[in-house]
Amino acid sequence: DAGITQSPRHKVTETGTPVTLRCHQTENHRYMYWYRQDPGHGLRLIHYSYGVKDTDKGEVSDGYSVSRSKTEDFLLTLESATSSQTSVYFCAARGGGAGNEQFFGPGTRLTVL
Amino acid sequence: AQSVTQPDIHITVSEGASLELRCNYSYGATPYLFWYVQSPGQGLQLLLKYFSGDTLVQGIKGFEAEFKRSQSSFNLRKPSVHWSDAAEYFCAVGAWGTGNQFYFGTGTSLTVIP
Repeated sequence: DAGITQSPRHKVTETGTPVTLRCHQTENHRYMYWYRQDPGHGLRLIHYSYGVKDTDKGEVSDGYSVSRSKTEDFLLTLESATSSQTSVYFCAARGGGAGNEQFFGPGTRLTVL
Repeated sequence: AQSVTQPDIHITVSEGASLELRCNYSYGATPYLFWYVQSPGQGLQLLLKYFSGDTLVQGIKGFEAEFKRSQSSFNLRKPSVHWSDAAEYFCAVGAWGTGNQFYFGTGTSLTVIP
C-alpha cells in the first residue's frame, strides 16, 4: 500500500459544515490524487498535485479545494459540505516515471446529512 | 479525449470457471494500462499493468491481461476463479502530462458462486 493513510476513516457531518480530509504518504511520491467513488461512476478525480504547492483541478473539482504544503501530506477541503458530497474518498500517490502505478489509501467514508 | 469503458457492470461465475473481464480504452498515444481490484471496504490494489513489450502481462493472484492495440482492448483473464476473487475490478489508462492522471472505468463487480 506504499504507506498511504487517510484520516478520518469515517465522518458524519451536517450540510454547510467545513470538512477536511487528510492523506499522508511515507514514500516521498511526487504525485498525489484525490478521488471520489460513487456507485455507477467508478473513480472520479477531484484534484491532484504534482509537487509541493503545485495542484490542479480534476473532473469533479467544484466545491472542493486542496493544499499540499509538504510532500507527504495532501489535504482535501469541502468548504461547505452538501449532501451531494456524500461519498467514499480515496487518496492515491505515485512516483515519477512513465508506467508507474498509483498506490491507494484505504478510503474515507463521508456522510453529509 | 482519454476514456475507459468496462461494458460489464456485473458478472457472475462459478468457482473454478474461467473469467474474462472486458476493458476498452480511448487514448491518442501508446497507452499505459492497469487493472486494479477492490475488495469490499478496501482501497484499490494493483493486479497488473502494461507498460511496453510483451502484450500478454502476468499479474498477482493468477490474473493475466492481453493488450490488443487493434481492438483498443486490455481484457483481464483468469483460468480458474476462486471464491476469494469476488470483488470490484477497475481498468485504468494512464495519461502522461502535468499530473500524469489516470482515467478509470466504472468497474465490474464479480460474484463467485460456490
